[in-house]
Amino acid sequence: SDVLTQPPSVSVAPGQTARITCGGNNIESKSVHWYQQKPGQAPVLVIHDDSDRPSGIPERFSGSNSGNTATLAISRVGTGDEADYYCQVWDRRTHWLFGGGTRLTVL
Amino acid sequence: QVQLQESGPGLVKPSGTLSLTCAVSGDSISSDNWWSWVRQSPGKGLEWIGEIYHSGSTNYNPPLQSRLTISVDKSKNHFSLRLSSVTAADTAVYYCAREVASPGTYYFDYWGQGTLVTVSS
Repeated sequence: SDVLTQPPSVSVAPGQTARITCGGNNIESKSVHWYQQKPGQAPVLVIHDDSDRPSGIPERFSGSNSGNTATLAISRVGTGDEADYYCQVWDRRTHWLFGGGTRLTVL
Repeated sequence: QVQLQESGPGLVKPSGTLSLTCAVSGDSISSDNWWSWVRQSPGKGLEWIGEIYHSGSTNYNPPLQSRLTISVDKSKNHFSLRLSSVTAADTAVYYCAREVASPGTYYFDYWGQGTLVTVSS
């Protein structure tokens, strides 16, 4: 079945780079999008089409997609980046599919 | 700036019908975009519910399809959700969102703030 697998949690020290993965069968054949959700707030798009940043999203956010894994990288992490992050794909058969989400903690 | 705002009852009785409306501003509901509903159960992840185009065409998440109706009112620039025969499992924050088409894919660029709907007697 179509499943996007994310680690439940990722921890990183301030100033380091956080990498959040999204696993799926041959995910590189799909475009992957990433959302940031802070507590009590709606999700915010941070990366679309694997690696494109919407206007207003810092260059510290980047994305890649290869093989069976897509990755969201956040460099120079600060406490303001603490949030849940979700990957998402779309295809004609399943339409919308979200990963289970990853809680990013800045130590 | 596109804005979406959900509205509707925050409490629905079991076996009742959940009804929500999403008011759109800063864009026309008749623009070349699909419009979606997404929900998030307490402490859980995001679940796509369904979508509508201004023509009235819809797509629904199969597990919800038998209970779900999404409609659009172009004169009011809003779209609506009705979910019947609700149970506690339908308790969630409900979001409306605008879809963006990109070659071979779609994603959400604008979201409403979300509204909590609790199913309880």
